[in-house]
Amino acid sequence: SQTIHQWPATLVQPVGSPLSLECTVEGTSNPNLYWYRQAAGRGLQLLFYSVGIGQISSEVPQNLSASRPQDRQFILSSKKLLLSDSGFYLCAWSVGTSSYNEQFFGPGTRLTVL
Amino acid sequence: AQSVTQPDIHITVSEGASLELRCNYSYGATPYLFWYVQSPGQGLQLLLKYFSGDTLVQGIKGFEAEFKRSQSSFNLRKPSVHWSDAAEYFCAVGVYNNNDMRFGAGTRLTVKP
Repeated sequence: SQTIHQWPATLVQPVGSPLSLECTVEGTSNPNLYWYRQAAGRGLQLLFYSVGIGQISSEVPQNLSASRPQDRQFILSSKKLLLSDSGFYLCAWSVGTSSYNEQFFGPGTRLTVL
Repeated sequence: AQSVTQPDIHITVSEGASLELRCNYSYGATPYLFWYVQSPGQGLQLLLKYFSGDTLVQGIKGFEAEFKRSQSSFNLRKPSVHWSDAAEYFCAVGVYNNNDMRFGAGTRLTVKP
């Protein structure tokens, strides 16, 4: 069966520090991978998605970046965190080229920037 | 691009009462529609989805949703709410040949004893 992992589960970082959040998927090949941010009291905002290794689409210009160094690994990074980067970060995966195929979500990472 | 609106930010219902959560979408053709549920501090779990065919869709945990093209709606319903249903509910819309999915802002459900 397929599983998705995210770590760390929680993170507290000072403003201006770097960030690296990792997401890995097991039990499937060539998944589509997604990073979402959920700010307090708001819905899910799609940040990045990837349909293959090295292929990244950015939805929202910001100081975050994403990379996909391996088929089932998706990394969210920042060189210098801002206060506004605080939120709940969710990684998700799906298969196929149609969004009829549901997305499966990881447990999320709670990021607090102080 | 497609979009989805959930008009109610927060709803409170008594345990055992019926529930309806509203969702309106914007898209020129037939969309794919989803309802997800998120328990506090957790990821999202799919409740149900609609692609085509019967406009009344049954999901897990006793939920159902009805697609109404004329109203561009996909409201989620449950005849009798349980305390464990307290969570945040997200409606989402996807389109054919595009693996991009857009989520609504969510509706937080509180269940009173």
